[in-house]
Amino acid sequence: KAGVTQTPRYLIKTRGQQVTLSCSPISGHRSVSWYQQTPGQGLQFLFEYFSETQRNKGNFPGRFSGRQFSNSRSEMNVSTLELGDSALYLCASSDPSGTDTQYFGPGTRLTVL
Amino acid sequence: GDSVTQMEGPVTLSEEAFLTINCTYTATGYPSLFWYVQYPGEGLQLLLKATKADDKGSNKGFEATYRKETTSFHLEKGSVQVSDSAVYFCALGISSGSARQLTFGSGTQLTVLP
Repeated sequence: KAGVTQTPRYLIKTRGQQVTLSCSPISGHRSVSWYQQTPGQGLQFLFEYFSETQRNKGNFPGRFSGRQFSNSRSEMNVSTLELGDSALYLCASSDPSGTDTQYFGPGTRLTVL
Repeated sequence: GDSVTQMEGPVTLSEEAFLTINCTYTATGYPSLFWYVQYPGEGLQLLLKATKADDKGSNKGFEATYRKETTSFHLEKGSVQVSDSAVYFCALGISSGSARQLTFGSGTQLTVLP
C-alpha cells in the first residue's frame, strides 16, 4: 500500500498570509491527525478527523483549522500567518478498527518570513 | 495530563556499541506505547509498539518492554550501526472514547560513529 502523502513538501509564505496543506491517508484509513513539529515545542497535536468530523483538538488558536473529505483526504489551513508558525507539519493516518498506531507522512515544511 | 519524559540527548556511540534510550510516562488509563524514528528531512517512521503491560515490541534489532510498574518503555539495541543515526521519539497513545492522540517525548538525537 502507498503510504501517507503530503503536499506540498515545502512552502514559503509571508506574515499575514494564509496557507493550506494537504494530506492523503493510507488507503482504507479513515482517521487523519495533524501535528506541528518545532525545535522549541517539539511535536504537538493539532487535531484529528474521522468521517469528515473533528473528533479531537489540541491547544492551538483558532487560526489553525482543518477539514476532511468523503475520501478521507484532509486539509489543514492556517490563517494570518505568524513567524512562530514556521514548522514541519506532519499528517498521520490510522485504522480506527485497530490499535492506536499512527503512520506518518513526510511532512510539509512551512517557512514564514 | 498525559506526558512522556525522554532521555536528554544528544547521544554519541561507536558502531557496535549497546544503546539504551530511557523513556517514562504519566498517563491515566491504559495507553499504547510507541517508538518512532526520524531521519533528517523526513517524517516519523514507526519503529516498534506495545499495547499492554509486559508486551515487548521489537523491530530491526531494537526492543522495548512496556513496564507498567515503573511506567517505562526504554529502547534498547545490542549493536548499533552508523545507519541508526537519527532522532528517536517515545510516544504514548490514548484513545479517549473514539478519539486518538499521540503525546510525544522531546526526542533523543543519536549519532553512531564508524
